[in-house]
Amino acid sequence: DVKVTQSSRYLVKRTGEKVFLECVQDMDHENMFWYRQDPGLGLRLIYFSYDVKMKEKGDIPEGYSVSREKKERFSLILESASTNQTSMYLCASLVDEKLFFGSGTQLSVL
Amino acid sequence: ELKVEQNPLFLSMQEGKNYTIYCNYSTTSDRLYWYRQDPGKSLESLFVLLSNGAVKQEGRLMASLDTKARLSTLHITAAVHDLSATYFCAVEKSGTYKYIFGTGTRLKVLA
Repeated sequence: DVKVTQSSRYLVKRTGEKVFLECVQDMDHENMFWYRQDPGLGLRLIYFSYDVKMKEKGDIPEGYSVSREKKERFSLILESASTNQTSMYLCASLVDEKLFFGSGTQLSVL
Repeated sequence: ELKVEQNPLFLSMQEGKNYTIYCNYSTTSDRLYWYRQDPGKSLESLFVLLSNGAVKQEGRLMASLDTKARLSTLHITAAVHDLSATYFCAVEKSGTYKYIFGTGTRLKVLA
């Protein structure tokens, strides 16, 4: 079974903090993705990565960066968290034409 | 820019009835995906449609793809309460690995 693990289910941070969201997959997949999900807006692609140290911007990369030093781990970084980044963040890994999602991290920025 | 639109956004239906959810997309793509999300849970893959005319069925759900019309449908037959969830379609921007999602259709099946 494909397993995509997000390290935190809930996070509360303060405005201006640096925030790291971690995602790990266990099947040596090349393609990994970060989405945010907001009511009425569906899922929006922030960044994706197709290999170690390789990344591509999605539709809403502003205010975010990513890191992929090892194949199994894809990190999303909020350099200086803002209240408009309060959202559900979903990590996904691509396997056999399907996206497999982690359980999500609900981030609240106060 | 690739846009993916679903309608309706909300759907409340009686058990036993049939209904169709529509997914339109704005640029050429041969790959369309349907996902289900239960409240408080993550997304689960339902169907992968990889060519024009593709049809997939699982239980009471059937998905089809018309790449010329840039349209996919998710048909629900004789709905049951367990089908209550939010359904998303997603399209890959050809050759880019960018998967763009629709806004979702929240389905509520009433007993």
